[in-house]
Amino acid sequence: DQQVKQNSPSLSVQEGRISILNCDYTNSMFDYFLWYKKYPAEGPTFLISISSIKDKNEDGRFTVFLNKSAKHLSLHIVPSQPGDSAVYFCAASPFSYGKLTFGQGTILTVHP
Amino acid sequence: DSGVTQTPKHLITATGQRVTLRCSPRSGDLSVYWYQQSLDQGLQFLIQYYNGEERAKGNILERFSAQQFPDLHSELNLSSLELGDSALYFCASSGRDSYRSGNTIYFGEGSWLTVV
Repeated sequence: DQQVKQNSPSLSVQEGRISILNCDYTNSMFDYFLWYKKYPAEGPTFLISISSIKDKNEDGRFTVFLNKSAKHLSLHIVPSQPGDSAVYFCAASPFSYGKLTFGQGTILTVHP
Repeated sequence: DSGVTQTPKHLITATGQRVTLRCSPRSGDLSVYWYQQSLDQGLQFLIQYYNGEERAKGNILERFSAQQFPDLHSELNLSSLELGDSALYFCASSGRDSYRSGNTIYFGEGSWLTVV
């Protein structure tokens, strides 16, 4: 049962344009959502998070939007840079602690 | 560098054997998490310890066990290894046991386990 889904396995974007990565979830108990970036042979690196009491959180070039009614979140990267090329995972947590449920990841490629 | 240290980085072992993966959390972090990443399953939560006590359990097999020691380092023990246990095992740490208040978990670089 895939509770967190990233339906796009890959995304290709031109440098300077906007990258939009999408994530859907099914578990209404999820309370906290995170995005991680992962380069090959490295561990996931935290990017940005959002609590279910908010619908938007911004940090520099990264903005995460949460639509609770649609059980959907997205990560916007503006402007995209070649160094952003990596695998992006969304993850969700229940209301208290413990388990992070990850999506399958989206490979982002930013072309110069 | 996340500050989370995992050893060994690579390990090749035979079926039926037992291995121990070690994790040193970031300085001051009380929570340690173990995740398994395999090609077909993605990142799967195994178990969390907080200040030496088991805090949450995920899809961890009975052949696997973990513990967190008084110095807060953790070990993941994998026994009776099968080919399907080949995966990248990540350790992560965080300061608290809750994701509220922006508590973020930081991942190590992982331990590659190959079972032949």
